[in-house]
Amino acid sequence: EPEVTQTPSHQVTQMGQEVILRCVPISNHLYFYWYRQILGQKVEFLVSFYNNEISEKSEIFDDQFSVERPDGSNFTLKIRSTKLEDSAMYFCASSPGPSNQPQHFGDGTRLSIL
Amino acid sequence: QQQVKQSPQSLIVQKGGISIINCAYENTAFDYFPWYQQFPGKGPALLIAIRPDVSEKKEGRFTISFNKSAKQFSLHIMDSQPGDSATYFCAATVTAYNAGNMLTFGGGTRLMVKP
Repeated sequence: EPEVTQTPSHQVTQMGQEVILRCVPISNHLYFYWYRQILGQKVEFLVSFYNNEISEKSEIFDDQFSVERPDGSNFTLKIRSTKLEDSAMYFCASSPGPSNQPQHFGDGTRLSIL
Repeated sequence: QQQVKQSPQSLIVQKGGISIINCAYENTAFDYFPWYQQFPGKGPALLIAIRPDVSEKKEGRFTISFNKSAKQFSLHIMDSQPGDSATYFCAATVTAYNAGNMLTFGGGTRLMVKP
């Protein structure tokens, strides 16, 4: 069964540095998402992406964050000037279409900010 | 108003028993309610989903009950098995045509099924 693949599985970064989290969505999917889960808390929506542009973003997704689909397969989340509170699991998801087609999640990247 | 409240936070059930997890929401615009199962070290995986035009949906041992007037929905796991031990998240979203659907998650329920 096709999977959403995320790399790296664990990223350790010094506070203030920039990180790029990478995702390879399922190949025929058209909608892409990033969510985060702070340890012990619920999963929170960050951003959705369709047709090479952001379609929706949450209050969390401020100017510190950006997303990009640099080629036909990768979908990236960039976090600039990382802060301690950015430490979390970041999940990428994709869906084949709109109208509540199921979102398939990757296994996440654990981001640790020191 | 965007919140989805989930209870209990943790649940211990004997093998063969029924696990029941409840969720409540405020936003009446929500029109799609999926449940996700998450094992340690893995991402959430879609388990079952329901729309508010039906009151119940069953897939194997998993059943969603939906009460539109009370703005509540619940997951029932019949004949619970140790392999069902995981964290379960309810979620809700508003259908967005030609756009991604932002899932609003509940806080999660850690289920342990004892052999």
